[in-house]
Amino acid sequence: DADVTQTPRNRITKTGKRIMLECSQTKGHDRMYWYRQDPGLGLQLIYYSFDVKDINKGEISDGYSVSRQAQAKFSLSLESAIPNQTALYFCATSDPAGEDTQYFGPGTRLTVL
Amino acid sequence: GIQVEQSPPDLILQEGANSTLRCNFSDSVNNLQWFHQNPWGQLINLFYIPSGTKQNGRLSATTVATERYSLLYISSSQTTDSGVYFCAGDSNDYKLSFGAGTTVTVRA
Repeated sequence: DADVTQTPRNRITKTGKRIMLECSQTKGHDRMYWYRQDPGLGLQLIYYSFDVKDINKGEISDGYSVSRQAQAKFSLSLESAIPNQTALYFCATSDPAGEDTQYFGPGTRLTVL
Repeated sequence: GIQVEQSPPDLILQEGANSTLRCNFSDSVNNLQWFHQNPWGQLINLFYIPSGTKQNGRLSATTVATERYSLLYISSSQTTDSGVYFCAGDSNDYKLSFGAGTTVTVRA
């Protein structure tokens, strides 16, 4: 089984709809992250969480919200999706007790029409 | 955050060739990492290398922290090495900044 899973893997939605992307991990890491990747570009940090009670904005948090339901679960919501949020979304985890290497989920491809 | 510049943007290799990818940072960087994104989109961590040199099979990486750059070496390239290579680092605030990537195509 994969250590970091994301659901759904693909989603097509319409402008104005609320969308939730979910991330689960079995690595036991405290730190979790949400990134977005636009075609031909690197990743941009949306939100990150160092433990269940700690949520922080990244560089592109506008239009997004997150929820850390448990150590293993970190959800990303688009309250009212717009077309320029069409992108590939990645969840990642890391363990500061180790090298803090980031481990990524398989990604969710989101299309907003 | 830190600005990350990767070069070259694209690289086409014949199978068996060697290559060097470079990453420059605008400021002192911590938690420097290299990733490979395969053609199916999966991101795999290759190295955590804030300083020094590491090797893993045909891949190796060197970071010169005082000069704010890192190099990734691919030796005896194979078609499975194709994909996009990203470097990333932070300024001790745990917010990784990624470069735009180097797209590597290895031809049989």
